[in-house]
Amino acid sequence: GQNIDQPTEMTATEGAIVQINCTYQTSGFNGLFWYQQHAGEAPTFLSYNVLDGLEEKGRFSSFLSRSKGYSYLLLKELQMKDSASYLCAVHDYKLSFGAGTTVTVRA
Amino acid sequence: EPEVTQTPSHQVTQMGQEVILRCVPISNHLYFYWYRQILGQKVEFLVSFYNNEISEKSEIFDDQFSVERPDGSNFTLKIRSTKLEDSAMYFCASSGGRGSSYEQYFGPGTRLTVT
Repeated sequence: GQNIDQPTEMTATEGAIVQINCTYQTSGFNGLFWYQQHAGEAPTFLSYNVLDGLEEKGRFSSFLSRSKGYSYLLLKELQMKDSASYLCAVHDYKLSFGAGTTVTVRA
Repeated sequence: EPEVTQTPSHQVTQMGQEVILRCVPISNHLYFYWYRQILGQKVEFLVSFYNNEISEKSEIFDDQFSVERPDGSNFTLKIRSTKLEDSAMYFCASSGGRGSSYEQYFGPGTRLTVT
């Protein structure tokens, strides 16, 4: 089975940094993906990790520890447009998603 | 940039009716997927499709569901007899390969409302 947990909501101030944690217990694992989803829209790809460590893509970074079943997404220099839901997903040839973390960026 | 397209954007149907949701994956992609998201809930995997066969399906994908690639460009999801609980956003996705190095690109979704 798949068990993927992430916080429900987070609030941060424009320009700040926010870290969204994700823990997982899954029967299969090929990689950990992060998607952004605005309300009523499709998920859009942000970042992925296959091996342990940190991957950096501009203002977004993602970290993975396979032994701990743990990942985080780091959003730096927050902008108002970053207000969205952030989905953690385990890749096992299909994607198994967590429930998503709604991030609200305040001025 | 190539993208996955889906039609219609919104479909309203009565309980018990058949619906077909259509998707055009990215042209050189080989793997196709359907996911659904009930309002306020997480995105859930339904089925994956490769080489004109189902690769994997979830428990949700019961006998009421079927998928087809009727020609070289379209990929469809059919629900034979819709139920109220089938109301959801349905996302099609495609990827160039099966492994985790191949990103799954999502279409904009079809919102299905069953009344």
